[in-house]
Amino acid sequence: QQPVQSPQAVILREGEDAVINCSSSKALYSVHWYRQKHGEAPVFLMILLKGGEQKGHEKISASFNEKKQQSSLYLTASQLSYSGTYFCGTETGHDKIIFGKGTRLHILP
Amino acid sequence: GAGVSQTPSNKVTEKGKYVELRCDPISGHTALYWYRQSLGQGPEFLIYFQGTGAADDSGLPNDRFFAVRPEGSVSTLKIQRTERGDSAVYLCASSLIAGGYNEQFFGPGTRLTVL
Repeated sequence: QQPVQSPQAVILREGEDAVINCSSSKALYSVHWYRQKHGEAPVFLMILLKGGEQKGHEKISASFNEKKQQSSLYLTASQLSYSGTYFCGTETGHDKIIFGKGTRLHILP
Repeated sequence: GAGVSQTPSNKVTEKGKYVELRCDPISGHTALYWYRQSLGQGPEFLIYFQGTGAADDSGLPNDRFFAVRPEGSVSTLKIQRTERGDSAVYLCASSLIAGGYNEQFFGPGTRLTVL
């Protein structure tokens, strides 16, 4: 039931782009994306709903393929502040979110 | 305060002891979630409340874990007969209402260490 994230870790240079993927074996109502910096709480980035509606960060984009039960988070022109661990959370019903194991992103200057 | 607060920030206890972890959600948020996060892992769902009632407690690992939210605001996670495997960061989150369109706001967590 836990979504699978890939890759597990990414190292980029500042200004480069990254894509983080999230897939589920179950039909999804929504996908949530959060970023967590070391020692801090997860911070909301984006929600994607079944049917195409989105809510979230202006500088981050994401896609949600309902048929494939997959979502991707796109980080363009990465900045040092983007470093952290990115979690996708999936809702398969009943209003609870199940989080993946995370993707660690490290941005080099 | 404006955000979710959790107390204590750190708790060290001995195996077999009882602990209580407290969460103060954002004012007006009716949904409250408890998660457990181990090193290098994502938040693991434990239980969530909509108002005063536990809407889903399917993530509680066993009957040593219990949570309450008697007045629909503050919640307490209670762990009896703690074991070393309970050591983790316990995160609380709240949202306006439960449901996929509502982002969750996380507290800073309580780091529990069972010796």
